[in-house]
Amino acid sequence: EVQLQESGPGLVKPSQSLSLTCSVTGYSITSNYWGWIRKFPGNKMEWMGYISYSGSTSYNPSLKSRISITRDTSKNQFFLQLNSVTTEDTATYYCARWRTGDYWGQGVMVTVSS
Amino acid sequence: DIVMTQAPLSVSVTPGESASISCRSSKSLLHSNGITYVYWYLQKPGKSPQLLIYRMSNLASGVPDRFSGSGSETDFTLKISRVEAEDVGIYYCGQLLENPHTFGAGTKLELK
Repeated sequence: EVQLQESGPGLVKPSQSLSLTCSVTGYSITSNYWGWIRKFPGNKMEWMGYISYSGSTSYNPSLKSRISITRDTSKNQFFLQLNSVTTEDTATYYCARWRTGDYWGQGVMVTVSS
Repeated sequence: DIVMTQAPLSVSVTPGESASISCRSSKSLLHSNGITYVYWYLQKPGKSPQLLIYRMSNLASGVPDRFSGSGSETDFTLKISRVEAEDVGIYYCGQLLENPHTFGAGTKLELK
């Protein structure tokens, strides 16, 4: 069975970088697309971007200058880095097998606060 | 960006009755390949979102056939027949036709 698990700090200071890891089991990340999605307090959902089976990336233009999605195929993990965070980046962050959208991680709540 | 507009934002349903949620896109989601790239997700309380419907009308694996999706190029409907207690949560439509992929605001389904 395909499983995804997010990990990373739950508290980040403003202006710092947010770094999250998504560990995938049961399926190789060298197939399909792998995305990051976040849900803000109040229920708004935002697609952040994805990394493809080949390693190419696509980002939400609203984040393009701050976001990077990379991967480590040897560990079957992919990563999110979001730079220069503000309190508006406070959200629950999910990784998912994207395009199909059929498998999601449990989510990690990240608070941006000093 | 393609704007996805859901209605209603909240719905209260008697168990056993049916419910419909609408979603309208600001642009046609019909690709030249004939596929309409609208998806429906449900986030149950305390859980991750789960895929219900993909490509407008295809039922995701493991999803009860009480759920169905339909629509045109810009107007879409999720129908739940015979609502059960486990259907409570927030329903989102989303489009994967263009970058950025976008979601509706969500529809909260509660039981009467």
